[in-house]
Order: sequence, then structure tokens, then C-alpha cells
Amino acid sequence: DVKVTQSSRYLVKRTGEKVFLECVQDMDHENMFWYRQDPGLGLRLIYFSYDVKMKEKGDIPEGYSVSREKKERFSLILESASTNQTSMYLCASSSGQGRAEAFFGQGTRLTVV
Amino acid sequence: GENVGLHLPTLSVQEGDNSIINCAYSNSASDYFIWYKQESGKGPQFIIDIRSNMDKRQGQRVTVLLNKTVKHLSLQIAATQPGDSAVYFCAENMSSGTYKYIFGTGTRLKVLA
Repeated sequence: DVKVTQSSRYLVKRTGEKVFLECVQDMDHENMFWYRQDPGLGLRLIYFSYDVKMKEKGDIPEGYSVSREKKERFSLILESASTNQTSMYLCASSSGQGRAEAFFGQGTRLTVV
Repeated sequence: GENVGLHLPTLSVQEGDNSIINCAYSNSASDYFIWYKQESGKGPQFIIDIRSNMDKRQGQRVTVLLNKTVKHLSLQIAATQPGDSAVYFCAENMSSGTYKYIFGTGTRLKVLA
């Protein structure tokens, strides 16, 4: 089975802290994604990557950056956490062929205080 | 079951009845569609997919219908069970150009005993 693993289920961070969210997939997928999920807004794409060291901005990249140094790992970085970044963060991966489902991790519930 | 659109976020269905969840997708160029199920505190799970060259696809107790003319997708769940209680949302994808998915905001399905 495909597995997408996020490093933390719950995180509490202080305003201004630098936060790292890690995601690892074991299916050799080319594409990886970071979404945030907020009530009433659905899943919004923050960044995605279609290859190692490649990244593209999604719909809401402000305040975030990403790193993909290895194919299996995609990290989301909050440079200076703010309270409006309190959310559920979901990582996903998919194969590079198009017309392929995205597989999701279990999510990280981040609270910024 | 009762048809609902995404402007009504909750669908309540008696156990054993059929459920129908609807989704209006946004991009006429999308050619691949997925339904996901998300249980509380978990990441989205794949249920069923359909390509644009089909108008119906059946899985185990689930059927997806695609109407490209009106850009409409529906998920039918037969003999709804308590374990079906979750948020369901659709996703659209294009096989060429971008690897991004566009997600609907979701419908919460409540199964009444």
C-alpha cells in the first residue's frame, strides 16, 4: 500500500517561530503537494513539486516555503509562524503520469499561539 | 437519499438508504475526477475515480456519474452504513499541462441509525 507519512499529528508553536512540517512517501512518486484545510474553504494548495529540487507555488504560498532535496521527502516551512497559519496541513503525492489519484498523509494539526 | 449540492454542507441519511452526493466542477478541460472520503481527524482517502471518456463507473457499493455537458459529478452510495459517515469531496485534474488537483469544499454525510 502507498504510504504518505507526516512527521507530526499535532503541533503547537509560538508566533514568530520557524516551523518545519515533514512528509515522506514510499511509492517513488514524482509529484508531491502541500495543502491546508480550513472549515468552509476546503483544501487549498500551498506548494507542489513535480521533481527533486523543483517547486511551484500553489494558490496560497505567502508565508510558506518548501524543500525537496530527495524524491521521497517534501518539507513545508513556515518562516515566521503567525496565528492565521493555524490549520490542518495535508501532504499528498501522486505519480507523474497525470490521471492519477493523489494519496494523502494523515494530516498535521498546527496551532500557532 | 436526497440530492444536495455543495451549498448544503450536510446530508443526513437513514442507515440502509442510498446516498447521493453532488459536485459541480469548475474546469471544462478537466479530464479526470476523483471522490475522496475524509473521516474526522484523518487524511482524505480515495474512493473511486472516473475519466472523462466515461459517464459512469461502479465500485463496491459506490457509483460515480459524470455529466460533462453540465460539469456535474455525483457519488452514489448504496445501502449507507454508519461507517460511511464522513466528509466527501470531489477533485478534478487535467492529464496535461498541470498536475494540480482542484478540490470541492465537501459534503458531510451523517448516517442515522
